[in-house]
Amino acid sequence: SQTIHQWPATLVQPVGSPLSLECTVEGTSNPNLYWYRQAAGRGLQLLFYSVGIGQISSEVPQNLSASRPQDRQFILSSKKLLLSDSGFYLCAWSSGTRNSPLHFGNGTRLTVT
Amino acid sequence: AQTVTQSQPEMSVQEAETVTLSCTYDTSESDYYLFWYKQPPSRQMILVIRQEAYKQQNATENRFSVNFQKAAKSFSLKISDSQLGDAAMYFCANSGGSNYKLTFGKGTLLTVNP
Repeated sequence: SQTIHQWPATLVQPVGSPLSLECTVEGTSNPNLYWYRQAAGRGLQLLFYSVGIGQISSEVPQNLSASRPQDRQFILSSKKLLLSDSGFYLCAWSSGTRNSPLHFGNGTRLTVT
Repeated sequence: AQTVTQSQPEMSVQEAETVTLSCTYDTSESDYYLFWYKQPPSRQMILVIRQEAYKQQNATENRFSVNFQKAAKSFSLKISDSQLGDAAMYFCANSGGSNYKLTFGKGTLLTVNP
């Protein structure tokens, strides 16, 4: 069966520090991978998605970047965190078909102080 | 552009009663899927139910069912015999975007009263 791992679960970082959140998927190959952010009391905003190794699409301009160095690995990064980067970050995968739901990781709660 | 609107920020229901959560969407696609996700306090996103736009029959999963009105672009979720464990944030989503990305609504917080 397929599983998705996302870490760390919580993170507190000072403004201006770097960020690296990692997500890996097991049990499937060539998944579509996604990073979503959920601000407090709000819906999910798609940040990045990837349909293959090295292929990253950005949905909104921001202070963050994403990379996919391996087929089942997706990394969310920042060189210098802003206060506004605080939120709950969710990684997800799908099989890349219209009827495929997203399967989510457990999320990372990021607090920038 | 895809949009998904959930007009009820909060809803409450008595245990064992039925509640309906509303969702409307807008898409220019003809082939798409609609989903309802549940996010309990643990914040894990759990798929509740999905509906293919080409199917007229409403999807059902145990106590969860949808009322899909394609012409009205409406996709409501009905929860029957509500249980305390149903308390969560519920998100409606549409897969009509390019590369089958999901667009989510802002969610409805459901409270179940004992």
